[in-house]
Parts: sequence; structure tokens; C-alpha cells
Amino acid sequence: GENVEQHPSTLSVQEGDSAVIKCTYSDSASNYFPWYKQELGKGPQLIIDIRSNVGEKKDQRIAVTLNKTAKHFSLHITETQPEDSAVYFCAAFGNQGGKLIFGQGTELSVKP
Amino acid sequence: GAVVSQHPSRVICKSGTSVKIECRSLDFQATTMFWYRQFPKQSLMLMATSNEGSKATYEQGVEKDKFLINHASLTLSTLTVTSAHPEDSSFYICSASLPGASSYNSPLHFGNGTRLTVT
Repeated sequence: GENVEQHPSTLSVQEGDSAVIKCTYSDSASNYFPWYKQELGKGPQLIIDIRSNVGEKKDQRIAVTLNKTAKHFSLHITETQPEDSAVYFCAAFGNQGGKLIFGQGTELSVKP
Repeated sequence: GAVVSQHPSRVICKSGTSVKIECRSLDFQATTMFWYRQFPKQSLMLMATSNEGSKATYEQGVEKDKFLINHASLTLSTLTVTSAHPEDSSFYICSASLPGASSYNSPLHFGNGTRLTVT
């Protein structure tokens, strides 16, 4: 089945800097890759997603890139702000089994 | 956007009792809902897939007799933790996708979770 690896597990940046979180997946048939932001004590919130027919997608300060050949995808946050501090999860959906598999999560800390 | 409401947000129960958690899709009908469990500082683990009008599909290692799922309407799924024990203490989160999506290849919207503490 699908396996998703996420790095780093923790990331600390200064306000205004960029943050990059990387994920790799194992199932070449996976075709949908969402990213979620989870604040303490709350459920995950979808922040951006990308499908396998697209290489890059951007939404204001957030962008996601996908390399199907290498089977990895990344989240890029520019001009980070303290309110970006949270745990971020990548996920991959594959046709095999039909379920969303999550990475281990990255705890992002943006220092003012 | 799509809203998924979960209740209660926090519950404390004694060992051996049962606890019911509700998950509602507020502004859309969800034929499929998903239940996840999350331990502190860990990722989300899928427990089961809840289908309206039919039996839930459980992931390997999840006891279906312990975690009872009912999806009686298009806007409500419930998870009942029966005979709860301290090791069942966790953060339980439900999710749903908008109808009309092709299979599961669509955004999942999550509830705000239920913190269960079994004493």
C-alpha cells in the first residue's frame, strides 16, 4: 500500500523567511496530494492541494510542487508569519485501497 | 466552504463505559465519512470509512465491535467507543468529502476533533 514520508519533523524559521516541507510517496498510482494545517487542539484544515496532472500550484503565500517521476511533493510558504506556526501534514491518495494516507507531520515554528 | 461539525469537543469517561461522538456535515450531504484517531504528536490514522446506509469498513487492526460506527443519514455519522479503557484515550477526528467527487479523489474536510480521556 501507499507510504508517505515527511521531512523535517520540526522546522523553525524567522518571521519573513520561507519554509519548505517535503514529502515522498511510494505508490506511483497516487494522484491527489493535499496539505493540511493543524493548530493545537483542532482538526486539520485543508490549505492547498494538487493533482497529478499539474506540476505546481500557488495560492498567495503558499505553493505546492509535484514531481511525479521522483514521487515527491513539497509545500512552500513564503514571507512566513507567526500565525503560520502549526503542524503541517502532507497526504497522498492512491487508487489502491482508495484512502488518504498522511505523512508524519511537521511542526513549524515562526519566530517573530 | 464545507463545514464538518463534531460533538462533543472534549469528553472524560470512566473505564468500562461507552462514549458516543457525533459528526455532522452542516452544509452538504456526505455519503461517505471517515474516522481518524490521532495520538499526541503523531499523525492521523484512519480507523474506518463510514458509508450512509451500509456497514462501515474498518482498517486492519481496528476492532469493529469496540468502535461502533453508524451512518444513518446523509449528514450524520456517529462513533461509539464501547467499554472504553485508558488506552482508548486519544483525539478522534471525523472527515467528509463533498458529494459528486470522483471516488475519494477530492478534498477532505475535517471536524475539530473530540478529545477522549478515559480514567
